[in-house]
Amino acid sequence: QSVLTQPPSVSGAPGQRVTISCTGSYSNIGAGYDVNWYQQLPGTAPKLLIYNNINRPSGVPGRFSGSKSGTSASLAVSGLQAEDEADYYCQSYDRSLSSWVFGGGTKLTVL
Amino acid sequence: EAQLAESGGGLVKPGGSLRLSCAATRFTLDSYRMHWVRQTPEKGLEWVSSITAGGNYIDYADSVKGRFTISRDNAKNSLFLQMNSLRVEDTAVYYCATGGFGSNGVDFFDRWGQGTMVTVSS
Repeated sequence: QSVLTQPPSVSGAPGQRVTISCTGSYSNIGAGYDVNWYQQLPGTAPKLLIYNNINRPSGVPGRFSGSKSGTSASLAVSGLQAEDEADYYCQSYDRSLSSWVFGGGTKLTVL
Repeated sequence: EAQLAESGGGLVKPGGSLRLSCAATRFTLDSYRMHWVRQTPEKGLEWVSSITAGGNYIDYADSVKGRFTISRDNAKNSLFLQMNSLRVEDTAVYYCATGGFGSNGVDFFDRWGQGTMVTVSS
């Protein structure tokens, strides 16, 4: 059971917009800690996708965006492309656990 | 391209030890807090340990505290993880990652290595 909760899977057709939720608690996201998102393509290491809730590293397309509100955060992917098919993980920090924590991951399927 | 590369993984019996290394190429580690993160299909991603740039502040996940030791050698541009008293549940892909500067002082995981597989089995 992960500290941050994500849906196991989401899907969408090419060109559509999908969102992936990340639900935490008042000891992590709700405590004001940033949420970060990672993309993991099959057989590769995770890659930073969104940091400090809303920022994209250089090279990440503008189709990816992040938001945070209260004890939750979301990753939106617009204009879906086949290459977006991957696992996506949210991550924050938990003050009760004194630990960096992850969501269980969401598999994005492009139909 | 700046990269991290882990090594040292392998098959070890329960109770055994392994030492993982993480080497940086085309950039220097000495400005970064460094982390080890592991991944299993069952439990997903799990933060394991971190060490500040100067090596003077270290954290461990409760699941490895007292068994794992993180260290670094900035002169050799390398990070290490000494893993003792290994358990079956330590079986995972282990990644090293540089800490990015979060807006509230807590790192995100910026650059990742390709990972090294550790299998603990009799």
